[in-house]
Amino acid sequence: GDSVTQMEGPVTLSEEACLTINCTYTATGYPSLFWYVQYPGEGLQLLLKATKADDKGSNKGFEATYRKETTSFHLEKGSVQVSDSAVYFCALSDQYSGGGADGLTFGKGTHLIIQP
Amino acid sequence: EPEVTQTPSHQVTQMGQEVILRCVPISNHLYFYWYRQILGQKVEFLVSFYNNEISEKSEIFDDQFSVERPDGSNFTLKIRSTKLEDSAMYFCATRTSGATDTQYFGPGTRLTVL
Repeated sequence: GDSVTQMEGPVTLSEEACLTINCTYTATGYPSLFWYVQYPGEGLQLLLKATKADDKGSNKGFEATYRKETTSFHLEKGSVQVSDSAVYFCALSDQYSGGGADGLTFGKGTHLIIQP
Repeated sequence: EPEVTQTPSHQVTQMGQEVILRCVPISNHLYFYWYRQILGQKVEFLVSFYNNEISEKSEIFDDQFSVERPDGSNFTLKIRSTKLEDSAMYFCATRTSGATDTQYFGPGTRLTVL
């Protein structure tokens, strides 16, 4: 079945450091890929998405590129802020795997801590 | 901006009791989902619902669970006889009809089974 693997946390960085959170996936079809963010005490918010190979999703200074050849969708940001502290989830939706199934498959989440 | 809402925000119940979690989707959305997140673990898909029927369900979604959209507005998840291991955050998500459309999540209901 489909699966998402992302780097274990917590990841602790200083403000203005560069960030990369690795995410790789396995899927039977042609998935759409997502990054969701969960701030403390809140629900899941979509951060960015990409729906086909070589697409780049971007939002709030975060970027991720859909790499089909490496089955990856790594999240990057050039300069993190304290307010970026949250849990980040990589996810996929494999609507074309057959049966029209499109429940999201999530990774375990990466807890990011940014220190001032 | 329209958003998905969920009630209650926190539900405490005794083991063996029935609970109903409610979700109000964004108004033009047609696909509805329930997910759960046990404390400290990943978000897990439970069920998807379209055109008044279940379109997909996971192994977690056994006979104790049911979903319905009774009044064309609320989308509900019912757990018939709660167990301790049902304690989790339950998220509703909804999307429009586009094949690559994003699922928008509600803030969640924290269910505590004692």
